[in-house]
Amino acid sequence: DAGVIQSPRHEVTEMGQEVTLRCKPISGHNSLFWYRQTMMRGLELLIYFNNNVPIDDSGMPEDRFSAKMPNASFSTLKIQPSEPRDSAVYFCASSSVQGNTGELFFGEGSRLTVL
Amino acid sequence: AQSVTQPDIHITVSEGASLELRCNYSYGATPYLFWYVQSPGQGLQLLLKYFSGDTLVQGIKGFEAEFKRSQSSFNLRKPSVHWSDAAEYFCAVGSGGSYIPTFGRGTSLIVHP
Repeated sequence: DAGVIQSPRHEVTEMGQEVTLRCKPISGHNSLFWYRQTMMRGLELLIYFNNNVPIDDSGMPEDRFSAKMPNASFSTLKIQPSEPRDSAVYFCASSSVQGNTGELFFGEGSRLTVL
Repeated sequence: AQSVTQPDIHITVSEGASLELRCNYSYGATPYLFWYVQSPGQGLQLLLKYFSGDTLVQGIKGFEAEFKRSQSSFNLRKPSVHWSDAAEYFCAVGSGGSYIPTFGRGTSLIVHP
């Protein structure tokens, strides 16, 4: 079975440019999470969706960050304009709400470097 | 609110030695507990999980963890470490009320030959 698919795996961009990260969750999963991982802060939850609806975006650092989930099989995380401090690995994860167990399935991440 | 503490940032062991990674959680009721592993350049992969029942749980790659309610701990163990176990290990706690897991800061495992 296909796991969580993220693209691009690596992105290098210049400060001020728009960045769009993409995620395809596991089929049948109805919750989707965006995390950011840095050495300084560890793994931070940015936002999560339940049945395509954003539930909690309190982790989104600034208005420069936005996330959408237009359907059950696709989500985007956009940064506009990007800044060097946004450099991090961004992970998408999905899970099934059934059972409310909290087990997440992670993608391989998108490594963003903003120059 | 639930929280997780992994007291050790780095652990160094020799190949073949035993391993124990510590995890302490804070949560009022019976939690769901997880250990994830992250190899370099990869996403997190679930090693094992505890929901209820037997407090000693077995996971993949020869790992096990024991839930100790009295100590609010869920330590990860392996009797003999292999060089391929070198990775970052994350403990996480979830709950029935909020299925969003809270992750610890991680412990980096270094394995010497």
